[in-house]
Amino acid sequence: DVKVTQSSRYLVKRTGEKVFLECVQDMDHENMFWYRQDPGLGLRLIYFSYDVKMKEKGDIPEGYSVSREKKERFSLILESASTNQTSMYLCASKIRGGETQYFGPGTRLLVL
Amino acid sequence: AQSVTQPDIHITVSEGASLELRCNYSYGATPYLFWYVQSPGQGLQLLLKYFSGDTLVQGIKGFEAEFKRSQSSFNLRKPSVHWSDAAEYFCAVVLYGGSQGNLIFGKGTKLSVKP
Repeated sequence: DVKVTQSSRYLVKRTGEKVFLECVQDMDHENMFWYRQDPGLGLRLIYFSYDVKMKEKGDIPEGYSVSREKKERFSLILESASTNQTSMYLCASKIRGGETQYFGPGTRLLVL
Repeated sequence: AQSVTQPDIHITVSEGASLELRCNYSYGATPYLFWYVQSPGQGLQLLLKYFSGDTLVQGIKGFEAEFKRSQSSFNLRKPSVHWSDAAEYFCAVVLYGGSQGNLIFGKGTKLSVKP
């Protein structure tokens, strides 16, 4: 079975802090994704990566950056957290050329 | 613009009753279609998917979905709902041949189950 893990289930941070959200997958997938989920808005794509050191902006990249130094790990970075970044963050991965994404359990981030 | 619509934000059904969750998409070609389920506080779990072939697809947990090209729909059904089915359900599409296979999600339908 594909396993996607996220480093934290819950995080509480202060406004202005730098925040790192980590995602690791164990199936040698080339493509990885970061989404945020907000009530009534569904899931929105922040960034994705289709290979090591490669990244592409999704629909809502503002205020975020990402890092993909190793194939299995995809990090989402909030350079200076703000209260409007309080949300549920979901990571996913898939094999290149495949269509099915596999999701991690999510990180619920609260920015005070 | 390409979109996925789930018209029902919240549905309540009685345990044992049948269920249908609606999903419509707006694309010129037939996309790849998915239903995911999210239990409270959890990530998304794939219920089923349609790529081609038989338009009625079976998934996990007793769910099925039917692709209707003429209606651009991919509705999710279950003949008898269990209390453990209470969750949020997301329909999603990937464009056929999309270079990076990016999912486009509907906004979700929250299912509540009455005893």
